[in-house]
Amino acid sequence: DTGVSQNPRHKITKRGQNVTFRCDPISEHNRLYWYRQTLGQGPEFLTYFQNEAQLEKSRLLSDRFSAERPKGSFSTLEIQRTEQGDSAMYLCASSPTLGGTEAFFGQGTRLTVV
Amino acid sequence: GNSVTQMEGPVTLSEEAFLTINCTYTATGYPSLFWYVQYPGEGLQLLLKATKADDKGSNKGFEATYRKETTSFHLEKGSVQVSDSAVYFCALMDSGAGSYQLTFGKGTKLSVIP
Repeated sequence: DTGVSQNPRHKITKRGQNVTFRCDPISEHNRLYWYRQTLGQGPEFLTYFQNEAQLEKSRLLSDRFSAERPKGSFSTLEIQRTEQGDSAMYLCASSPTLGGTEAFFGQGTRLTVV
Repeated sequence: GNSVTQMEGPVTLSEEAFLTINCTYTATGYPSLFWYVQYPGEGLQLLLKATKADDKGSNKGFEATYRKETTSFHLEKGSVQVSDSAVYFCALMDSGAGSYQLTFGKGTKLSVIP
């Protein structure tokens, strides 16, 4: 399967703990995106990379959130000092730089903060 | 800022009924428009897209036409099937403004009954 891969699929953590999620995009895709989706809502944009450069960040992305894409391949999203309001589905997507605007989504990581 | 408004669900239809899901948008630039679908237990998949005014996107019997004058991109299908039961998201990307983030509507849940 050469789609976007996200790990873990589910994460339960206690409030105040740090969590890290990983996303492996489609191999030839230069652009990588993180979104957050809560129940009954559409995905909300968090941040976007082109290769290893983080080019856009949403105002939703508080200073407890950090994302990296160190070699322009996989990406990690870390949430420090988790809060119950961080419970959501975290989606990763990728797209090629050339050839269109279609973004391909992974199945997401569901975070539950207890 | 950019925004997408979809008709609220849930929508319940009998098999072979006609489907319309309304979508209107607000954008600062000239966006590309998308419909994404999320089947139960699966990730978001692109259903169709249109990149300029009067373009019609189509896929799997679904259609939507980019109407700049009414800022709309309504999704239609002439005869729905049980397998079309899913959540449908309208989205825009305003890449002309230098942003590659998708802005999503809240989603419309469709249930098709035999």
